[in-house]
Amino acid sequence: QKEVEQNSGPLSVPEGAIASLNCTYSDRGSQSFFWYRQYSGKSPELIMFIYSNGDKEDGRFTAQLNKASQYVSLLIRDSQPSDSATYLCAVRRWNTGKLIFGQGTTLQVKP
Amino acid sequence: EPEVTQTPSHQVTQMGQEVILRCVPISNHLYFYWYRQILGQKVEFLVSFYNNEISEKSEIFDDQFSVERPDGSNFTLKIRSTKLEDSAMYFCASSAHLDKADSYEQYFGPGTRLTVT
Repeated sequence: QKEVEQNSGPLSVPEGAIASLNCTYSDRGSQSFFWYRQYSGKSPELIMFIYSNGDKEDGRFTAQLNKASQYVSLLIRDSQPSDSATYLCAVRRWNTGKLIFGQGTTLQVKP
Repeated sequence: EPEVTQTPSHQVTQMGQEVILRCVPISNHLYFYWYRQILGQKVEFLVSFYNNEISEKSEIFDDQFSVERPDGSNFTLKIRSTKLEDSAMYFCASSAHLDKADSYEQYFGPGTRLTVT
């Protein structure tokens, strides 16, 4: 079983729609959960993180965490073509800086 | 806004040669990391470094790899004898602390593309 799993996509949504990206993880000791955006040939850019069960909103982005189901998601409201990128889910355990990444989900927002 | 910087942006080397990849972490950060991403694959953790010591390393980080903080600002990754399979993007990252879940953030540099021929 992979440590962090994401559907590789591509996920295609029309401009203005809500994009929903999902991630599952296997290690119940995972404490913090991160969403990074990566454009082709570029480095991961931190969008947001979450560590408590429930929802966390930041502008057009909402992260959702369900530790019982070992599930993290990212919702992007009012999707824009500039949101087209690969979205990486990463997890870390308590008191370690090591991030374990999923394969990433490619999002395509069509004008 | 503070950022992690890396040099060079692209390094081409021959198999068996030594390379040094350089990074300047965010100035008030204390924890430093190297990751790599082979083309088309996921980002993989290599090593973490704190207080002039390796704090954690992955199976990938074998004796061919070493890290160093030679001065107060630079953080380097050395590959002693490069192999074809070392071709990848290498990312440096840094974080301010480890223990505060409500504010833990890890920022990545732009990466160095290493091509081994």
